[in-house]
Amino acid sequence: QVQLQESGPGLVKPSETLSLTCTVSADSISSYFWTWIRQPPGKALEWIGYIYYSGRTTYNPSLKSRVTVSLDRSKKQFSLTLNSVTAADTAVYYCARIFNYRIDYWGQGTLVTVSS
Amino acid sequence: QSVLTQPPSASGTPGQRVTISCSGSSSNIGTNYVDWYQQLPGAAPKLLIYKNNQRPSGVPDRFSGSKSGSSASLAISGLRSDDEADYYCATWDDRLSGPVFGEGTKLTVL
Repeated sequence: QVQLQESGPGLVKPSETLSLTCTVSADSISSYFWTWIRQPPGKALEWIGYIYYSGRTTYNPSLKSRVTVSLDRSKKQFSLTLNSVTAADTAVYYCARIFNYRIDYWGQGTLVTVSS
Repeated sequence: QSVLTQPPSASGTPGQRVTISCSGSSSNIGTNYVDWYQQLPGAAPKLLIYKNNQRPSGVPDRFSGSKSGSSASLAISGLRSDDEADYYCATWDDRLSGPVFGEGTKLTVL
């Protein structure tokens, strides 16, 4: 069974940087894509970006200029940084695993509020 | 604004059969498998259907999926009160090289 757990600040000030980490409990993180997805309150899911275990990344073009996803294989963790945040970035952020082009395991999600 | 189009709401009475539609384009549903997720209030999405019509272990056969062209649908038969949730379709988009989601459909069991 694969488990994912998000961690990081629940409150970020406007114009600052949002940083989250996802810890993966699994035998291996190899051969999978690891992704971040967010969901603003009352709204739909939005894919942010993913990283392959090799370190290759792909980002949603709508967020690409502000997003970085990184991977620490030794700790079985991957991270999200989102720069220059505004109130529109307030959302529940999920980390998840992509297998065969489908998202099969999700973290429980963490609410990040952007407010001064 | 989501890439895939779903009706915002659906409803039915216990025991009924309901369907939820999902419309996309040639760059996503038209060329890739469709998955469906169930999201209970306050919870993370849960994979309900994958590869158009496959059920993960533990998902009852009351849930079924289908795809035709650039559209897909989820059917729920023998509706139960605990089926009340938001349902999202998802697929891979070749232009984005990433997953895309529907707008979500809120299912109410009357």
